[in-house]
Amino acid sequence: GENVEQHPSTLSVQEGDSAVIKCTYSDSASNYFPWYKQELGKGPQLIIDIRSNVGEKKDQRIAVTLNKTAKHFSLHITETQPEDSAVYFCAAILYNNNDMRFGAGTRLTVKP
Amino acid sequence: EAQVTQNPRYLITVTGKKLTVTCSQNMNHEYMSWYRQDPGLGLRQIYYSMNVEVTDKGDVPEGYKVSRKEKRNFPLILESPSPNQTSLYFCASSKRLASTSTDTQYFGPGTRLTVL
Repeated sequence: GENVEQHPSTLSVQEGDSAVIKCTYSDSASNYFPWYKQELGKGPQLIIDIRSNVGEKKDQRIAVTLNKTAKHFSLHITETQPEDSAVYFCAAILYNNNDMRFGAGTRLTVKP
Repeated sequence: EAQVTQNPRYLITVTGKKLTVTCSQNMNHEYMSWYRQDPGLGLRQIYYSMNVEVTDKGDVPEGYKVSRKEKRNFPLILESPSPNQTSLYFCASSKRLASTSTDTQYFGPGTRLTVL
């Protein structure tokens, strides 16, 4: 089955700096890669996703890149703000397979 | 308001005492699933359901049961809870298979379960 590894487990940045979180996956057939943000006491919320036929996707300050050859994808947050502080999860899923595998999570802290 | 609700939000119980965590969504979603979240392990899928009366095992189904008799409800049942089932549980739903559409997977607020 799919195995997703996520790094780093914790990340602390200064407000205004960029943050990068990286994930690797094991199954080359996986084709959908969502990123979730989880705030304290709440369920995960989808913030951006990318499919295997696309190399990069951007939504305002958030971008995701995918390298299918190397089997890794990354979340980039630019101009970070204190409200970006949360736990971020990457995930990978195989087309038509509902077994979504999550990374272990990254706790991002943005210091004002 | 579109939402996924779970009850209870917090539960402390003892080993062997059957319990049910309810999950309900008001978005007419076909797909629903249950996850457990443990420190350092992220979210792991327990069971999922693609539609009424259709359920399948996820990554960690042992010790759990589910049912999908109605589209909106997907209860998680622990027939004989054990301490290793102490965890934070999330229910989620989406319109179709997450990987075949751009439909967002909505998560509930979570249920923190402690089994003594």
